[in-house]
Amino acid sequence: GAVVSQHPSWVICKSGTSVKIECRSLDFQATTMFWYRQFPKQSLMLMATSNEGSKATYEQGVEKDKFLINHASLTLSTLTVTSAHPEDSSFYICSARGTSGEIYEQYFGPGTRLTVT
Amino acid sequence: AQSVTQLGSHVSVSEGALVLLRCNYSSSVPPYLFWYVQYPNQGLQLLLKYTSAATLVKGINGFEAEFKKSETSFHLTKPSAHMSDAAEYFCAALRANNLFFGTGTRLTVIP
Repeated sequence: GAVVSQHPSWVICKSGTSVKIECRSLDFQATTMFWYRQFPKQSLMLMATSNEGSKATYEQGVEKDKFLINHASLTLSTLTVTSAHPEDSSFYICSARGTSGEIYEQYFGPGTRLTVT
Repeated sequence: AQSVTQLGSHVSVSEGALVLLRCNYSSSVPPYLFWYVQYPNQGLQLLLKYTSAATLVKGINGFEAEFKKSETSFHLTKPSAHMSDAAEYFCAALRANNLFFGTGTRLTVIP
């Protein structure tokens, strides 16, 4: 089946530094990738949607200059948290949709836990 | 705004017992509804979906869910729990091309 990987699975960084998280579709081409954020005991919240070769579409309230998303190929999207602060500590999950999939046919990565100290 | 509520962040059942995970949605127009399962260290997997066809939806691994408009519910059930069912379960609704997730229910199966 369709597999999506994320790297790293866990990262700790110091306040003020930037962190890059990779999301890869391993056995299919992902025309659309989604980035979610999940706080403890809360829902997954959609941060942004990215289409390969286009600028990402950010949800209301998400700072696009802080959460930089790049979807340069059909198998890779990256999320860079710039100038990270402790409040950015969270679980980040990506998902990917193939060329012919419905909106709900998203394949999810295992998530990346970011801790900012 | 569309929201999905999952009642009970933790549910424990004995192996072989009925599994019932609750989900209610808030919307005047029934949305598409989904259940996802997340096993430890893995991504969310689609368990089943309701897309306004049959109200009783069967999914993988013996799970099913029934859409009840009168109760605005989409509860997930399985007649007999198996140890391998231990996981986190998320209910979700699709509106305006976005998925809105519940807070999740962790299912523990007691041997």
